[in-house]
Amino acid sequence: DIQMTQSPSTLSASVGDRVTITCRASQSISSWLAWYQQKPGKAPKLLIYKASSLESGVPSRFSGSGSGTEFTLTISSLQPDDFATYYCQQYNDYPLTFGGGTKVEIK
Amino acid sequence: EVQLVESGGGLVQPGGSLRLSCAVSGFTFSDHYMDWVRQAPGKGLEWVGRTRNKAKSYTTEYAASVKGRFTISRDDSKNSLYLQMNSLKTEDTAVYYCARGGIYAPFDYWGQGTLVTVSS
Repeated sequence: DIQMTQSPSTLSASVGDRVTITCRASQSISSWLAWYQQKPGKAPKLLIYKASSLESGVPSRFSGSGSGTEFTLTISSLQPDDFATYYCQQYNDYPLTFGGGTKVEIK
Repeated sequence: EVQLVESGGGLVQPGGSLRLSCAVSGFTFSDHYMDWVRQAPGKGLEWVGRTRNKAKSYTTEYAASVKGRFTISRDDSKNSLYLQMNSLKTEDTAVYYCARGGIYAPFDYWGQGTLVTVSS
């Protein structure tokens, strides 16, 4: 199975900060990586697919980069609505696997 | 508007069975692969399994943790996805989401989830 490791697990930041979350795959997944945002009690929401493609309707302050085994999600200027938990997910091979999540908290 | 609406969750004893449903509207259901993803209370996301579309003979994939106990099926005439869960364990307690997936594709649409609690 492909293991997905996210860091950090928790991140404290202020409105306006630039935030970066890292996701590492245990083997190469090419660019078959997605990022999701989840708020308490809600379903996950797709933000980024194919490592760097922005899903329709998602603000441009979100961006993704990377390929192979190392990926990043960047929020260029954190907004109040962005405090949530973020997950990466590989869809290169079965079983499909998620990272453990990064909770972005208010500093 | 795309909608995925799960139903069928509830409280079940260990060893019991439960069948979840997911009613889909807003896109051509029969064209797409469909998945189940779960989330234990306070934990992360775990993929449960997938059914491919008719073109791929409705073949399925499962996570090792549920293989042999859970069965995913679909009824394209009813735009519905199902998850039959047998031999339930306490560790199957989770919110179960249906989601639209695809070959080399992320989960772009999700339902609101239905809670399954396995407890005596």
